[in-house]
Amino acid sequence: NAGVTQTPKFQVLKTGQSMTLQCAQDMNHEYMSWYRQDPGMGLRLIHYSVGAGITDQGEVPNGYNVSRSTTEDFPLRLLSAAPSQTSVYFCASRTSITGELFFGEGSRLTVL
Amino acid sequence: KNQVEQSPQSLIILEGKNCTLQCNYTVSPFSNLRWYKQDTGRGPVSLTIMTFSENTKSNGRYTATLDADTKQSSLHITASQLSDSASYICVVKSSGSQGNLIFGKGTKLSVKP
Repeated sequence: NAGVTQTPKFQVLKTGQSMTLQCAQDMNHEYMSWYRQDPGMGLRLIHYSVGAGITDQGEVPNGYNVSRSTTEDFPLRLLSAAPSQTSVYFCASRTSITGELFFGEGSRLTVL
Repeated sequence: KNQVEQSPQSLIILEGKNCTLQCNYTVSPFSNLRWYKQDTGRGPVSLTIMTFSENTKSNGRYTATLDADTKQSSLHITASQLSDSASYICVVKSSGSQGNLIFGKGTKLSVKP
């Protein structure tokens, strides 16, 4: 049972480069979300989706794009990376009823 | 404003000792409260969920309490082990239309031999 799978686990970018963090879940959860985790800041919501074709902004959406073409996949795109986007990114999915989040293992991104 | 505050920010204890982590929240309307454990370099994993009607719930050596009147929760760890070293995150779910999740910043626990 894979749960939530994120790739890549580590990535180094130069300022201005673009990249996509991939996220897939096999639990048929409607709700998926992306968080970033920075020291002393806790987990902050970037974007979320309540179902295929539906996305919305979270607390810190600037500099990030998302799309949800299928229930399983929820990629996060950085169009022009900035050093302020250096962080650990977590994808999560959850049931709508209990709200238990199932997290991926995280993607550590460094922007030089 | 909906907020979740955790204390202490960090804690160091000796193996075998007990400890208690605190979570205070101002989320309204309240749906449930979860404690997550996050090992270093891993994603958080749910330990326990507390609903409005529950006062105490145990999961092995972990016992969570909830006082809905004072809007406080605690996570008590009994007979700590080295593997308990992790960050513990309190997350409160509101029962509004979007079912928003409000995160605490976590308590970093270090268990020393």
